[in-house]
Amino acid sequence: EADIYQTPRYLVIGTGKKITLECSQTMGHDKMYWYQQDPGMELHLIHYSYGVNSTEKGDLSSESTVSRIRTEHFPLTLESARPSHTSQYLCASSPAEKDYGYTFGSGTRLTVV
Amino acid sequence: AQKVTQAQTEISVVEKEDVTLDCVYETRDTTYYLFWYKQPPSGELVFLIRRNSFDEQNEISGRYSWNFQKSTSSFNFTITASQVVDSAVYFCALNTGRRALTFGSGTRLQVQP
Repeated sequence: EADIYQTPRYLVIGTGKKITLECSQTMGHDKMYWYQQDPGMELHLIHYSYGVNSTEKGDLSSESTVSRIRTEHFPLTLESARPSHTSQYLCASSPAEKDYGYTFGSGTRLTVV
Repeated sequence: AQKVTQAQTEISVVEKEDVTLDCVYETRDTTYYLFWYKQPPSGELVFLIRRNSFDEQNEISGRYSWNFQKSTSSFNFTITASQVVDSAVYFCALNTGRRALTFGSGTRLQVQP
C-alpha cells in the first residue's frame, strides 16, 4: 500500500484555470519534492522542501508554486494553467538521511486544453 | 555539480536475451548513493536498488544484477533472460545529499516476445 498519495491521478482542465495538485505522505519524512516529467522522459526537479515552511525552486523553471504548512502535505498550485503545463507531475518524499532513496507517488497526469 | 548520463536512449531485445543498461555519473563528493528505478507504462517509479559509494560489491537479485565501478564512475544494470514484463523505462539516479536526487535521462527497454 502506498505511503505517499497524489490526487487526482488524471486531470483534464481548460486554459486559464487554477489547479492544485495534492501530495500527502504518512511516513513522517522531512523532505518532499515535485518532479515534472513528459511521458517516459527525464525527470526535472521543480520544487523541494526540507521541512515545514521551507520551500525552494528546483532546476526547471516552473510557473507553479508550493507550500509546506504541515509535514505530511506538499501541494502544488498552478494559478493559470496553460497547454505548456501538460505533463506528468510526480511527488516524492525522503527521510533526512541521504542514503535513502525516495518514495514516489503514482503521479498526476495533467492535460491542459 | 552532479550529473548522471544514460547514453542508451532505447534498447530493443528479444525475450530471454540478456541486456545491460549503462549509467555513468559525475560528482565531486566522496560520499554518495546511486539508485536504479523502473518506470512501467503505468507511470509510477519503482525502486530497484540503492548502492553507497563505499560499497563496490556487485549485487545480484534474481535476474537482476548491478556492477558498480568507482574507477570508471559507472553503475551498470544487467537483466538476465529478459521477459516482456521487463519492458519499461529505467532511470539511474545519484544522491549526494545536496538538494535532491539527480536522474539520468532514462533508457527505454522494449522486450519483444
